[in-house]
Amino acid sequence: GAGVSQSPSNKVTEKGKDVELRCDPISGHTALYWYRQSLGQGLEFLIYFQGNSAPDKSGLPSDRFSAERTGGSVSTLTIQRTQQEDSAVYLCASSGHLQETQYFGPGTRLLVL
Amino acid sequence: LAKTTQPISMDSYEGQEVNITCSHNNIATNDYITWYQQFPSQGPRFIIQGYKTKVTNEVASLFIPADRKSSTLSLPRVSLSDTAVYYCLVVPISSGSARQLTFGSGTQLTVLP
Repeated sequence: GAGVSQSPSNKVTEKGKDVELRCDPISGHTALYWYRQSLGQGLEFLIYFQGNSAPDKSGLPSDRFSAERTGGSVSTLTIQRTQQEDSAVYLCASSGHLQETQYFGPGTRLLVL
Repeated sequence: LAKTTQPISMDSYEGQEVNITCSHNNIATNDYITWYQQFPSQGPRFIIQGYKTKVTNEVASLFIPADRKSSTLSLPRVSLSDTAVYYCLVVPISSGSARQLTFGSGTQLTVLP
């Protein structure tokens, strides 16, 4: 079956612009995660969705970051008024539940000029 | 939070066995230990998971001592294609915050010819 997909694969934007990153999780997976990975660094947790429960937003670095998950499937991560320090790879993962194996997408490489 | 500590990097030669140790002194009774592998420009991929003693699959073995304050990922007879970053992760079995899923900076394993 299909794995986790993300789009776009690469995004170049200008400082101050808004960007939207998309994640299509594995069908049937109720848990969805967003992470950020800066060059040469580990993964930084951003936000977690589980079914219809309120998302765990504890990792979002500022109020410029937000995420939605429509219909319990596709998720969109939005970064408003992008800054150069937002440049990173944004990874999405899904699993059957919080405690289960996470399956990662290929990531979106964001470059803010 | 069960913070993990791993060596930043390790070098090995083809055909050798590689052991990567992770410290997790504050691991809780109901936490699992999970290892992921990440190649450049890809999302992390699950390798192995365990709770105690020893777990083995077709890729690796995981050794966990009785006190569970550390774990060792063992890769038998590594090849050049095993060059990657390896992450140790402590996963709460019971319901908890996704914020606890801390990947850290991982261990860069470089396999030399």
